[in-house]
Amino acid sequence: DAGVIQSPRHEVTEMGQEVTLRCKPISGHDYLFWYRQTMMRGLELLIYFNNNVPIDDSGMPEDRFSAKMPNASFSTLKIQPSEPRDSAVYFCASSTPPGGWGNTIYFGEGSWLTVV
Amino acid sequence: SQKIEQNSEALNIQEGKTATLTCNYTNYSPAYLQWYRQDPGRGPVFLLLIRENEKEKRKERLKVTFDTTLKQSLFHITASQPADSATYLCALSSGGSYIPTFGRGTSLIVHP
Repeated sequence: DAGVIQSPRHEVTEMGQEVTLRCKPISGHDYLFWYRQTMMRGLELLIYFNNNVPIDDSGMPEDRFSAKMPNASFSTLKIQPSEPRDSAVYFCASSTPPGGWGNTIYFGEGSWLTVV
Repeated sequence: SQKIEQNSEALNIQEGKTATLTCNYTNYSPAYLQWYRQDPGRGPVFLLLIRENEKEKRKERLKVTFDTTLKQSLFHITASQPADSATYLCALSSGGSYIPTFGRGTSLIVHP
């Protein structure tokens, strides 16, 4: 399996521009997560989906952030307009249902976003 | 408020020694606790999961303990190697949603 695939790996954009991050989860995983990692705040959950439906978006910092999952194999995280404080590494991750073992999360390699 | 604490200072040890990392938590009743490894520029990778009714879990050179009375997990790497150098994150899941919340991680540096 190719694992969780994210694009782009690196993005440098100017303040005010729209940024779209993309993710393909592991086939068969029906949970998808978007995390953000910074030195100051560590790894924060932004939003997660179950069977393509957003379940909890309480971690989304503000209305400038939006996420969609139109089908089981694709999700996007959009920031519009972007600001310098959005600079971070954004991870997409997926997992199978918790069952009796909890959620073991499989992470992508991250999208490194710099807003100048 | 809920809090997960991992030592922010890097742990430096000599190759061959046992590395012990600590994860403390407050205001949590975790059902599961997980440890992940993160290398620079990469995403976290799952290592071990331990449930609340388990005291200890082992996998090769790795050992995790979970003390719900002390609200603490210890992560041990025996016979450490320079290749074990990385940041190690603990993550807690409460019953119900089971979605893990991550600590900020501790950096381990193993010197040859």
